[in-house]
Amino acid sequence: GENVEQHPSTLSVQEGDSAVIKCTYSDSASNYFPWYKQELGKGPQLIIDIRSNVGEKKDQRIAVTLNKTAKHFSLHITETQPEDSAVYFCAASNPLNYGGSQGNLIFGKGTKLSVKP
Amino acid sequence: NAGVTQTPKFRILKIGQSMTLQCTQDMNHNYMYWYRQDPGMGLKLIYYSVGAGITDKGEVPNGYNVSRSTTEDFPLRLELAAPSQTSVYFCASSYLEQELFFGEGSRLTVL
Repeated sequence: GENVEQHPSTLSVQEGDSAVIKCTYSDSASNYFPWYKQELGKGPQLIIDIRSNVGEKKDQRIAVTLNKTAKHFSLHITETQPEDSAVYFCAASNPLNYGGSQGNLIFGKGTKLSVKP
Repeated sequence: NAGVTQTPKFRILKIGQSMTLQCTQDMNHNYMYWYRQDPGMGLKLIYYSVGAGITDKGEVPNGYNVSRSTTEDFPLRLELAAPSQTSVYFCASSYLEQELFFGEGSRLTVL
């Protein structure tokens, strides 16, 4: 089945710097790659996603890139701010579908991002 | 709209006890999910449902049961609680196979 590896597990940056989080996946049939942000005591919230027919997607200070050949995708946050501090999870759709639903995601283990003012 | 609501937020169980985690959503989503989150381990899918009356196992279903009698509700039942079920449980919903909307989580401790 699908396996998602996420690095680094912790990341500390200075306010205004950029942050990059990388994920690799194992199954070339995966076609949907979302990123979720989880603040302390809250549930994860979608911040950006990309599908396998696109190589890059941007939304203001956040961008995601996908390399299907290498089976890896990355989250880029520019001009980081203290409110970006959170745990970020990457995920990949599970081609096994557990009976038919493509909505099943395999999550990475998370990256704790700390932005120092 | 309230979104996805989970109750209780915190619960302590003794080994062997049973309980139900409640989840309800008001977005008329047909897909609903239960995940568990262990420290440093990401989220693992327990069960999911693609509509009322339909449920299926995810990655880690052992020790749990679910039902989906209505579109809005998707309760998770723990039978014979074990220390290995100490975790934070998240319910989520989505419209078809798009963005997951998560609840705020239920922290369960089994002693």
